[in-house]
Amino acid sequence: EPEVTQTPSHQVTQMGQEVILRCVPISNHLYFYWYRQILGQKVEFLVSFYNNEISEKSEIFDDQFSVERPDGSNFTLKIRSTKLEDSAMYFCASSLTVSNQPQHFGDGTRLSIL
Amino acid sequence: RKEVEQDPGPFNVPEGATVAFNCTYSNSASQSFFWYRQDCRKEPKLLMSVYSSGNEDGRFTAQLNRASQYISLLIRDSKLSDSATYLCVVNQAGTALIFGKGTTLSVSS
Repeated sequence: EPEVTQTPSHQVTQMGQEVILRCVPISNHLYFYWYRQILGQKVEFLVSFYNNEISEKSEIFDDQFSVERPDGSNFTLKIRSTKLEDSAMYFCASSLTVSNQPQHFGDGTRLSIL
Repeated sequence: RKEVEQDPGPFNVPEGATVAFNCTYSNSASQSFFWYRQDCRKEPKLLMSVYSSGNEDGRFTAQLNRASQYISLLIRDSKLSDSATYLCVVNQAGTALIFGKGTTLSVSS
C-alpha cells in the first residue's frame, strides 16, 4: 500500500536555528498538508498546498514557516528561526482530492528544540 | 475556528466488550467526517469515513447526525489490538482537518 514518508524521524536543533522537514507524499496525490502535535495535545493543522501554492493556512503558520515542493516529489516545511515552543511531532499528509477524501499521514518527524 | 469535542477518556474495557465513543462538532458547515486511530507516539491512521446514512466496517459502526452535529463510533467484540486513542476528525469546508483531542481505549484480557 502506498504511503507518505517523512525524514528525518527525529531532529534535534538549537533554538534560533533553521530546520527543514521533508516529506514524500503518495505519488498520485494532489493535495499536501502539514500538521503538528505538541506532546499530550491534539493534532493541529498548519498548512495545505495544491498546484504549487498554499491553499489554506492556520494562525500557527506565521512568517517563520514556509513550504515548498522543490522537485516534484519532496514537500518540505521550513522553520526559519526555531523557538522552544516549536518542539512537537510534525506530520505530513496527502490526499487525492480535497472533497470528502481522507488524508493519509506520514509517520512524523519529532522536532526537539534545545 | 470552532472545535470538535469528544468524550473524555480513558475507557477501560475487557476483551469482547462493546464500546461507544461520541463526538460533537460546532460548525454546522462541516462537510466531511472521519474517525482516525492513533497509537502512542505514532501517526493518525484512518479508521473510517463517516457517511450521513451511517456505515459499518466489520466490528466498527459509525453514525452521523447532522441535525444534532453528533458523530459516534461503536466497536463490537473489542480486541486487545483495539487499544489506542480514537480521534474524531471533521473537515469544515476547507482543506484543513480539525481534530478532537481523542478518547483513549484500553482493552484488557
